[in-house]
Amino acid sequence: ETGVTQTPRHLVMGMTNKKSLKCEQHLGHNAMYWYKQSAKKPLELMFVYNFKEQTENNSVPSRFSPECPNSSHLFLHLHTLQPEDSALYLCASSQVSQGRGELFFGSGTQLSVL
Amino acid sequence: SQQGEEDPQALSIQEGENATMNCSYKTSINNLQWYRQNSGRGLVHLILIRSNEREKHSGRLRVTLDTSKKSSSLLITASRAADTASYFCATENDYKLSFGAGTTVTVRA
Repeated sequence: ETGVTQTPRHLVMGMTNKKSLKCEQHLGHNAMYWYKQSAKKPLELMFVYNFKEQTENNSVPSRFSPECPNSSHLFLHLHTLQPEDSALYLCASSQVSQGRGELFFGSGTQLSVL
Repeated sequence: SQQGEEDPQALSIQEGENATMNCSYKTSINNLQWYRQNSGRGLVHLILIRSNEREKHSGRLRVTLDTSKKSSSLLITASRAADTASYFCATENDYKLSFGAGTTVTVRA
């Protein structure tokens, strides 16, 4: 248990569905992240939130919409996804001070888009 | 992007042997981190080495950093079946953390 909880663990959705991924961190960290992990590719940083404010959006398509209501919770809202969006979506948190610091990851949501 | 690149992509060793993997990067860094990922799970932080450090140890793990060669190595000594996982290096500079594609390590019983 890393202190970062992601739900659901698995998700299958059609291209017209709307779903949300949830992440909660119990570590008191001030930064939260969404990463996408596809097979045989490096982790892709999608969004970064520092103190609830979005500080990075790495050219992510608008069909992915993040939400950070407070420093402990992070959501990723999904709509009209494409099959190529199938991947493992990882949430992480860290305490940013003189750098990003050590990232603590959740177990991920394995997403399949049909 | 100053992504780290791990080498080799895959490694198969016998239990009890040592495993060594390398990470190369392109530009200056503040620190370099190593993570482990078991199949289908999240990444777990193993060790962080700062740019002014040359070597760090944690249990059976030894990490070296050579900033002149822009490379790092991770050594796992006396490997166990439980060490079977993918290992990633991540380089940080200017608050940006970039991951490589990983080395998949299989430890045979």
